[in-house]
Amino acid sequence: DGGITQSPKYLFRKEGQNVTLSCEQNLNHDAMYWYRQDPGQGLRLIYYSQIVNDFQKGDIAEGYSVSREKKESFPLTVTSAQKNPTAFYLCASSVASGGSYEQYFGPGTRLTVT
Amino acid sequence: AQSVSQHNHHVILSEAASLELGCNYSYGGTVNLFWYVQYPGQHLQLLLKYFSGDPLVKGIKGFEAEFIKSKFSFNLRKPSVQWSDTAEYFCALKDPNTGKLIFGQGTTLQVKP
Repeated sequence: DGGITQSPKYLFRKEGQNVTLSCEQNLNHDAMYWYRQDPGQGLRLIYYSQIVNDFQKGDIAEGYSVSREKKESFPLTVTSAQKNPTAFYLCASSVASGGSYEQYFGPGTRLTVT
Repeated sequence: AQSVSQHNHHVILSEAASLELGCNYSYGGTVNLFWYVQYPGQHLQLLLKYFSGDPLVKGIKGFEAEFIKSKFSFNLRKPSVQWSDTAEYFCALKDPNTGKLIFGQGTTLQVKP
C-alpha cells in the first residue's frame, strides 16, 4: 500500500530541545517537501528536496534543518532556534518538482513545545 | 512575488445549498492551480487541478473549479453541498521552477444537516 507516513502523530517537547520529525514515502517520488500549518495562515513551505542528496530552503527555513540521504526519507529537525515551533507539520512528495504532478501529503505531526 | 488569497475564511451552509469559494492568485507566468481539502482528522487530499486546456475543471465528489485568467481567479464550486463536505479547503499555486505550492489561508466550510 503506497503512501507517505509521518511519525509520531503527536509530539511533545520542552523548550530548548531539538526534535526530529520523520517522513517516509514508498511512492518512488523524487521530490519531497515540508510544510508548516498554522490556523488562518494556510501551509507554508519550510524545506524542499527535488532529488536525493539535495535540498533547498523554503519560505520559513530559519530554525529548521533537513537531510535527504535516501530517496524515500526526508526527516525534519526542529531546532531550539525556532522561535515558535508549536504547529502542525506536513510532509509531501511528488513524482517530480516540475511538470503536471500534484503533491501527495502525509497525515502530519502535531508538535507542541512548552 | 507569487501569492494566493482566499476571501472566505469561514463559511456556514445548510445541506443542499450551493457553494462557491473564492481564490485569487498573483503570478505573471503560466499557472498551475490546485484545490486541496482537509477533512477532520484526515490527510490533505487533492480535489482538482488545472494545468492547461479547458478552464472548467471537474474534480472528485462533485466539485468543479473555473480558471478565469483575466480575473486571476480559480473559484471552487459545488451545486449542492452535503454534511460530509464539512472540511477545510485550500487553494494553491505551483511554482513551476521549484514545484513548491503556495497556499491560500484556507476556508473552513461547515455544512449544517
